[in-house]
Amino acid sequence: DARVTQTPRHKVTEMGQEVTMRCQPILGHNTVFWYRQTMMQGLELLAYFRNRAPLDDSGMPKDRFSAEMPDATLATLKIQPSEPRDSAVYFCASGAGQGREKLFFGSGTQLSVL
Amino acid sequence: SQELEQSPQSLIVQEGKNLTINCTSSKTLYGLYWYKQKYGEGLIFLMMLQKGGEEKSHEKITAKLDEKKQQSSLHITASQPSHAGIYLCGADGNTDKLIFGTGTRLQVFP
Repeated sequence: DARVTQTPRHKVTEMGQEVTMRCQPILGHNTVFWYRQTMMQGLELLAYFRNRAPLDDSGMPKDRFSAEMPDATLATLKIQPSEPRDSAVYFCASGAGQGREKLFFGSGTQLSVL
Repeated sequence: SQELEQSPQSLIVQEGKNLTINCTSSKTLYGLYWYKQKYGEGLIFLMMLQKGGEEKSHEKITAKLDEKKQQSSLHITASQPSHAGIYLCGADGNTDKLIFGTGTRLQVFP
């Protein structure tokens, strides 16, 4: 079965360190979304791409977060420097980009910043 | 920006009982999506509704869209332990962006 792959599954780091999360979308999908989930805020949209171009990253703290798609098979979300309030589960999702589409989610990266 | 409010926040039901989860939007609904999330996993797509009055079913789960009321409901008939999880509604606001509601945590006990 085709699936969205996220790495790492778990990450524990110290405040101030750089964190990079990776996502491999389903082959052929051209939209990629990054979400963050916490108990307090629920599921928040951070950024999304279509055909590797960033369409909206208004949900991301710009000073420390960055999202890129170096190629069609890889999306990255980077936090530098990380802070304890960044602790959350980060999800990547991909879609076929045809509008009104269903998204396929990865299993998430659980990030803990100490 | 569009906001989605779900009720109830959590639900505990006995196996075999019916239940309903509601999703209310602050703005007009164009595409309304229902997803389910199991603990420690990503979201799984259940169904999508686009037109007012539309109703879709998948196994024992039925979802309806009331466009005028900017609401959708998800109904589970004869609940089973396998239905347990977090149910989230999502909306695209006629854009590419998919945002999600606050979620409803469902527990089903034997």
